[in-house]
Amino acid sequence: AQSVTQLGSHVSVSEGALVLLRCNYSSSVPPYLFWYVQYPNQGLQLLLKYTTGATLVKGINGFEAEFKKSETSFHLTKPSAHMSDAAEYFCAVRGPKTSYDKVIFGPGTSLSVIP
Amino acid sequence: GAVVSQHPSRVICKSGTSVKIECRSLDFQATTMFWYRQFPKQSLMLMATSNEGSKATYEQGVEKDKFLINHASLTLSTLTVTSAHPEDSSFYICSARQGFGTDTQYFGPGTRLTVL
Repeated sequence: AQSVTQLGSHVSVSEGALVLLRCNYSSSVPPYLFWYVQYPNQGLQLLLKYTTGATLVKGINGFEAEFKKSETSFHLTKPSAHMSDAAEYFCAVRGPKTSYDKVIFGPGTSLSVIP
Repeated sequence: GAVVSQHPSRVICKSGTSVKIECRSLDFQATTMFWYRQFPKQSLMLMATSNEGSKATYEQGVEKDKFLINHASLTLSTLTVTSAHPEDSSFYICSARQGFGTDTQYFGPGTRLTVL
């Protein structure tokens, strides 16, 4: 079975500081991995995704994530936090091949940016 | 990028009534649409997957007769919450995918359902 854990349900950073949101997954097959952002009362927006190839993936709004198979991790980073980055962030993994339609979401991490 | 809309964005209804939520892919044909439910401060829970022209596949524990899903065209899927009760109050989000493989799912803005 596929699963996703996100360490830290809430993360606070100062404006301009490094953002690091952690994601670990379990998967019996090579996974597709995603990071989504959700602003209050809105749907989800895709930040970036990893499918195959280069393990360092760059996304929108200055975010990037690195797929580390040995650590089963896909942590999200941004060098310098902006006030507009405050939101809920979800890491997600595509399900196993026999049911590849299913995207399984982690519990989410709420990011606060302190001025 | 691809746009998915939902209507209504917010609905309040009385207990026992039925509510229909629409999900539309505006600039692409969605072979597959997904319906999620999200409780406050929680993650998204997949309710069902629907392919155009065929019956929806429901996740374990989701009542088919309670949450009716119709995917009649490549741009429209509907979720009907039948005989709604207060415990059905939630944020419902749909997503749509154009094809298969690595194709991205695009999410709608969500519908806030409140059952009184």
